[in-house]
Amino acid sequence: GDSVTQMEGPVTLSEEAFLTINCTYTATGYPSLFWYVQYPGEGLQLLLKATKADDKGSNKGFEATYRKETTSFHLEKGSVQVSDSAVYFCALKTNAGKSTFGDGTTLTVKP
Amino acid sequence: NAGVTQTPKFRVLKTGQSMTLLCAQDMNHEYMYWYRQDPGMGLRLIHYSVGEGTTAKGEVPDGYNVSRLKKQNFLLGLESAAPSQTSVYFCASSPWGNQPQHFGDGTRLSIL
Repeated sequence: GDSVTQMEGPVTLSEEAFLTINCTYTATGYPSLFWYVQYPGEGLQLLLKATKADDKGSNKGFEATYRKETTSFHLEKGSVQVSDSAVYFCALKTNAGKSTFGDGTTLTVKP
Repeated sequence: NAGVTQTPKFRVLKTGQSMTLLCAQDMNHEYMYWYRQDPGMGLRLIHYSVGEGTTAKGEVPDGYNVSRLKKQNFLLGLESAAPSQTSVYFCASSPWGNQPQHFGDGTRLSIL
């Protein structure tokens, strides 16, 4: 079946540091890939998406590129802020509508 | 603009009791989903629906039932609650195909 593997956390960074959260996937066909963010006590919110190979999703300074050859969708940000502290989920979704999530990576950014 | 609304937000049950969680969306989305979120285990898909009157099993369907009688509503039922079902439950909806999901704020369920 489909699966998503995220780098294990938690991740702790200083403000303005560079962020990378690794995500790899296995799936049949050509899924769409997503990063969602969850703040304490809230539901998940879409951060960015990519629907086909070599697409780059971007939002709020975060970026991720759909790499079919390495089945990866790593999340990056050049300079993190304290307000970026949250849990980040990588996910895939097939055209049939079924969705699979990674286990989440907790990011803490210290001033 | 309500989006996805989950009812109730909190509930405490005793083992063996039954209850129904309600999810309502006002975006005319075709697909709806129920997940549970447990510490260190991410989101696990319980059941989902690709349209009114249809349902399908996800990764962890045992002990749960669902119904999608109306397009805007997706109900999750626990017939005989067990302590292992203590969790945070999230509902989500999306347009058809590979579009992103919209999530509710969750229902925190404790079973004693």
